[in-house]
Amino acid sequence: DVVMTQSPLSLPVTLGQPASISCRSSHSLVYSDGNTYLNWFQQRPGQSPRRLIYKVSNRASGVPDRFSGSGSGTDFTLKISRVEAEDVGVYYCMQGAHWPLSFGGGTQVEIK
Amino acid sequence: EVQLVESGGGLVQPGGSLRLSCAASGFTFSSYWMSWVRQAPGKGLEWVANIKQDGSATYYVDSVKGRFTISRDNAKNSLYLQMNSLRAEDTAVYYCARLITGDADYWGQGTLVTVSS
Repeated sequence: DVVMTQSPLSLPVTLGQPASISCRSSHSLVYSDGNTYLNWFQQRPGQSPRRLIYKVSNRASGVPDRFSGSGSGTDFTLKISRVEAEDVGVYYCMQGAHWPLSFGGGTQVEIK
Repeated sequence: EVQLVESGGGLVQPGGSLRLSCAASGFTFSSYWMSWVRQAPGKGLEWVANIKQDGSATYYVDSVKGRFTISRDNAKNSLYLQMNSLRAEDTAVYYCARLITGDADYWGQGTLVTVSS
């Protein structure tokens, strides 16, 4: 099975400052169709997960452009250019290239 | 607007059974793979099961194989999860999610299953 490893576990950030979350997979996430299936989800307190980024770097509908994704192969990054109060929550990376689909352990973003 | 609404959660004793439902609307349900994903209290996300558009293929995480069954009724736009031989470690919020290739683009609000005596 593909293991997804996120870091850091917790990320205290000052409002208006940037934040960066790393995600590494144990296997390449390049699928047979040539696409790389690495996605990012945000889970605000008390809410269900919301898709932010799909296929490494594509923002989902309605996602602010302060969120961006990058990476390739097995190493990926989610960046928030300027953290806002509404960004507090847990962020998960998810791989969709291999079954069983799997998530990283999550990164808690909080305001300092 | 795509909507997924789960129901059927509750308190059940170890060894008991429960059937979860997910009512889908706002899209052509029969055109999509669907999934159940769970989240134990204070923990991360775990994929549970997937089902193909016509129900002809299903996949399960090892920990639920032989105990859980995913199914669907395309005429009713509904997804189900039959859970048997429940264990304490099955306690979680269960989410229904719509799948597209390599991704889950819409999620429901979840239903809580508590396995305890």
